[in-house]
Amino acid sequence: DTGVSQDPRHKITKRGQNVTFRCDPISEHNRLYWYRQTLGQGPEFLTYFQNEAQLEKSRLLSDRFSAERPKGSFSTLEIQRTEQGDSAMYLCASTLEGPGELFFGEGSRLTVL
Amino acid sequence: AQRVTQPEKLLSVFKGAPVELKCNYSYSGSPELFWYVQYSRQRLQLLLRHISRESIKGFTADLNKGETSFHLKKPFAQEEDSAMYYCALTPRSFQKLVFGTGTRLLVSP
Repeated sequence: DTGVSQDPRHKITKRGQNVTFRCDPISEHNRLYWYRQTLGQGPEFLTYFQNEAQLEKSRLLSDRFSAERPKGSFSTLEIQRTEQGDSAMYLCASTLEGPGELFFGEGSRLTVL
Repeated sequence: AQRVTQPEKLLSVFKGAPVELKCNYSYSGSPELFWYVQYSRQRLQLLLRHISRESIKGFTADLNKGETSFHLKKPFAQEEDSAMYYCALTPRSFQKLVFGTGTRLLVSP
């Protein structure tokens, strides 16, 4: 499968712990996006990279969230000191074209107890 | 601010009936509009985009700038169309998609 892959698929953690999600985009795609989706809502933009540069961050992304894309390949999204409100599906997507034609991964579901 | 509204959380139809999934948007400029679909246990995927003016799996969507709408239509629904459908827009010169809350389409035999 040469699609976007995310790991882990599901993470259960206790409040206050740190978690990290990894995304491997489609290899030739230079843009990588992170979205968050909660129950009953559509995906909400968090941040995006063009190659290794993080070009935009949403106001949703508090100081506890950090994303990286070293060498312009895979990306990681880290959440420090998790809160129950962080429970959501974290979606990664990549594209070679504009922001509208995204190829999504299956998502990483975070449950904070 | 840009906003996408999908007024129906659930749309239930019988096989062979016409389908219209509503999408309205608010944006002062000229956005690009998209429909994404998520079938059961599958990832979110692009269904169609307004600039292509294409029909995918029998679905079409016309951008109506006067009514700021981008409704998704299909004349005869099939059971395999059952899925979650999201309307989304990207404002020109922006680099992100803004999604609606989605409509679940359920096609019964």
